[in-house]
Amino acid sequence: TQLLEQSPQFLSIQEGENLTVYCNSSSVFSSLQWYRQEPGEGPVLLVTVVTGGEVKKLKRLTFQFGDARKDSSLHITAAQPGDTGLYLCAGTSGSARQLTFGSGTQLTVLP
Amino acid sequence: DAGVTQSPTHLIKTRGQQVTLRCSPKSGHDTVSWYQQALGQGPQFIFQYYEEEERQRGNFPDRFSGHQFPNYSSELNVNALLLGDSALYLCASSLAGQEGTGELFFGEGSRLTVL
Repeated sequence: TQLLEQSPQFLSIQEGENLTVYCNSSSVFSSLQWYRQEPGEGPVLLVTVVTGGEVKKLKRLTFQFGDARKDSSLHITAAQPGDTGLYLCAGTSGSARQLTFGSGTQLTVLP
Repeated sequence: DAGVTQSPTHLIKTRGQQVTLRCSPKSGHDTVSWYQQALGQGPQFIFQYYEEEERQRGNFPDRFSGHQFPNYSSELNVNALLLGDSALYLCASSLAGQEGTGELFFGEGSRLTVL
């Protein structure tokens, strides 16, 4: 069973601060995705990374896939209250067609 | 363009009862996956349907079953409900062959409470 561990589990910061969320596994993933989920809604895809060492930027969000494709990070610069939500990493590997999700990081950005 | 729609949005059942949840995928999508999300946790894969057949299954007991119809819509059935089945059940649609690289579109979920 492939597991994805996310840290921290909870994060509460002030508006304007920077933060990093981590997603780690002992398994190699062929691709990894990051989703954000708000209360009462399903997860929404933010980014997909497929190449070891890949870095993608989405406005104030920077995503990195580890060289060995076992870990990933999400960095948010100058967080805003609208960034509040549950951030989930999810990976696929081999012939598996399903996504394996991490347990999530609940981010709260205070105004 | 309608996204993924799920029904009902909320429901309450008692232990031992049976429940059926429904999902209509995003227009143009042919693959439906079901996930269970307990409070404060990430979604856990239940199973995936493609061409009206269960193509892959997660670590869930046989009490969880499903169906996909010719119009690609899907149902999730849970028999002999347990208190631990209380969760948000998410349906996600995608195009076959794009798992992991393509986008999974999620519905808003069905919140099941078992008393």
